Amino acid sequence: AQTVTQSQPEMSVQEAETVTLSCTYDTSENNYYLFWYKQPPSRQMILVIRQEAYKQQNATENRFSVNFQKAAKSFSLKISDSQLGDTAMYFCAFMPVTNAGKSTFGDGTTLTVKP
Amino acid sequence: DAEITQSPRHKITETGRQVTLACHQTWNHNNMFWYRQDLGHGLRLIHYSYGVQDTNKGEVSDGYSVSRSNTEDLPLTLESAASSQTSVYFCASSGGLASSTQYFGPGTRLTVL
Repeated sequence: AQTVTQSQPEMSVQEAETVTLSCTYDTSENNYYLFWYKQPPSRQMILVIRQEAYKQQNATENRFSVNFQKAAKSFSLKISDSQLGDTAMYFCAFMPVTNAGKSTFGDGTTLTVKP
Repeated sequence: DAEITQSPRHKITETGRQVTLACHQTWNHNNMFWYRQDLGHGLRLIHYSYGVQDTNKGEVSDGYSVSRSNTEDLPLTLESAASSQTSVYFCASSGGLASSTQYFGPGTRLTVL
């Protein structure tokens, strides 16, 4: 069975600073996707970034980037130039390519951006 | 614009009642999913479907059922609601590979008294 662990229940960062959220996972699958989702107080789940496990290059989306270490089963999210609107809960998620039914989410990290 | 909607957004029911939560997507996606999110936790998969007439059980399927009669809709039924099923329910859909990016609905907060 897959597991996804987010070891930081809460984090805070000053506006304009950089913060890194940690995620580790455990799986015997070789082909999979990893995701970071943002859930603001509105409760809507919003995709932040996605990484294909077969790609060595780390995914980047504007101020958001990941550090994907496949051998270490680590998938951290870096947010640069933090903005007040980044305040939200962030979920790391794992999904095997061949079986979406085994999708697994971490318990989330609550990020607060302080002015 | 294509979207995924859920109704109702909030529901209060009593133990033992049957409840159906609706999910409708206009993305024309083959794959649809139901998750539950308990306070302070991530999402757990209840049921999913890869197409019309296809349904599969997820990690926490006991007490829930789904049916897929068309591409757009995947209703979730709680056959006999229990207090342990108080949660926020999210529907999601994806196109192409089932494991491709999922797009989520706004969620339904269900309270079972």
